[in-house]
Amino acid sequence: EPEVTQTPSHQVTQMGQEVILRCVPISNHLYFYWYRQILGQKVEFLVSFYNNEISEKSEIFDDQFSVERPDGSNFTLKIRSTKLEDSAMYFCASGGANEQFFGPGTRLTVL
Amino acid sequence: AQSVTQLGSHVSVSEGALVLLRCNYSSSVPPYLFWYVQYPNQGLQLLLKYTTGATLVKGINGFEAEFKKSETSFHLTKPSAHMSDAAEYFCAVSDYNAGNMLTFGGGTRLMVKP
Repeated sequence: EPEVTQTPSHQVTQMGQEVILRCVPISNHLYFYWYRQILGQKVEFLVSFYNNEISEKSEIFDDQFSVERPDGSNFTLKIRSTKLEDSAMYFCASGGANEQFFGPGTRLTVL
Repeated sequence: AQSVTQLGSHVSVSEGALVLLRCNYSSSVPPYLFWYVQYPNQGLQLLLKYTTGATLVKGINGFEAEFKKSETSFHLTKPSAHMSDAAEYFCAVSDYNAGNMLTFGGGTRLMVKP
């Protein structure tokens, strides 16, 4: 059964460093998403991506964040200069209105 | 704006007992509603969804949920809890006017006692 994959599973970085989180969505899906979950809190929407452009973004998704689909398969989330409060589990999802399939997540720890 | 409220951040049931996890939503458009389950240190797995049509929807692992428009609710039930059902459960609503973003509730941790 096709699934969304994410790498790395864990990422530890120093404050101020750039990180890139990678996702491979399910191949025939057209909509892609990033969400995050700070430890002990609810899952929060960051951004949706369709037809090679951002279709919606939350207020969390400020200028420090960017997304890219560099080739036909990968979907990346870049955080330009990480802050302590960026520490969270980041989930990629793909799909559409009827359902979204989530990857296993990348746990980002900013020291 | 959409919102989801899950009553009860923690629910404890005995094995074999009825599971009832509550979810209420607000939405300015007809909602698409979802329940996801998250096992420890894992991602989110779709349990079931309501888009249109029959208001009682069945999902995996014996779970079902009923969409009640008049009550703006989408409660999740299972007749008989198993130990393996212990997990965190999230209710979510999709906004197809906003990039299909999912708005999640705060989650309910289900504990199952032997």
